Amino acid sequence: SYELTQPLSVSVALGQTARITCGGNNIGSKNVHWYQQKPGQAPVLVIYRDSNRPSGIPERFSGSNSGNTATLTISRAQAGDESDYYCQVWDSSTVVFGGGTKLTVL
Amino acid sequence: QVQLQESGPGLVKPSETLSLTCTVSGGSVTSGSYYWSWIRQPPGKGLEWIGYIYNTGSTNYNPSLKSRVTISLDTSKNHFSLQLNSVTAADTAVYYCARNRGGPGDFDSWGQGTLVTVSS
Repeated sequence: SYELTQPLSVSVALGQTARITCGGNNIGSKNVHWYQQKPGQAPVLVIYRDSNRPSGIPERFSGSNSGNTATLTISRAQAGDESDYYCQVWDSSTVVFGGGTKLTVL
Repeated sequence: QVQLQESGPGLVKPSETLSLTCTVSGGSVTSGSYYWSWIRQPPGKGLEWIGYIYNTGSTNYNPSLKSRVTISLDTSKNHFSLQLNSVTAADTAVYYCARNRGGPGDFDSWGQGTLVTVSS
């Protein structure tokens, strides 16, 4: 089965740029979606199809996908960005989530 | 804007069947190319996809749960349901229903989630 690998945690200084990776075999050939989840809340879609932002998501959120790694980039990190982030793809008609990354804003 | 709401018992005994319903409002479960899905999250852990049902009634399940899962659709009530058989403590989780915008699509709408505890 297909696996997605995310770092358990990422830290970023306030106002700096955070990058959260999602690794998978030839993930560049798949559409990658990213979700933000705050404690006690349902996940929220922040990036779809590698690099597209839903309405209402700040331009500070961006995504890229190539080779074996997809990346969620959060520019000018704010305290409110502190959350868990999950990547997601489809593989053989099934849905796969990454293990999740906890973003800490220092 | 579509909204999803989970409902069902919050406590299930081991070996019994977990049953949840997701009611959809602001849209029809038969419209568009959406995959109506169930996803769960054990306490303190990550997201696990359980399965989906398409508006034709076709389903697909996580291979790790396939032998115990059934997802069904009730178009007259505009809802879809989850049944998970032979539950154990490992099935304790927050269960979310969500709408997927078609493979290989994203989950653009989620329910608030409901905690189901498996305990005697």
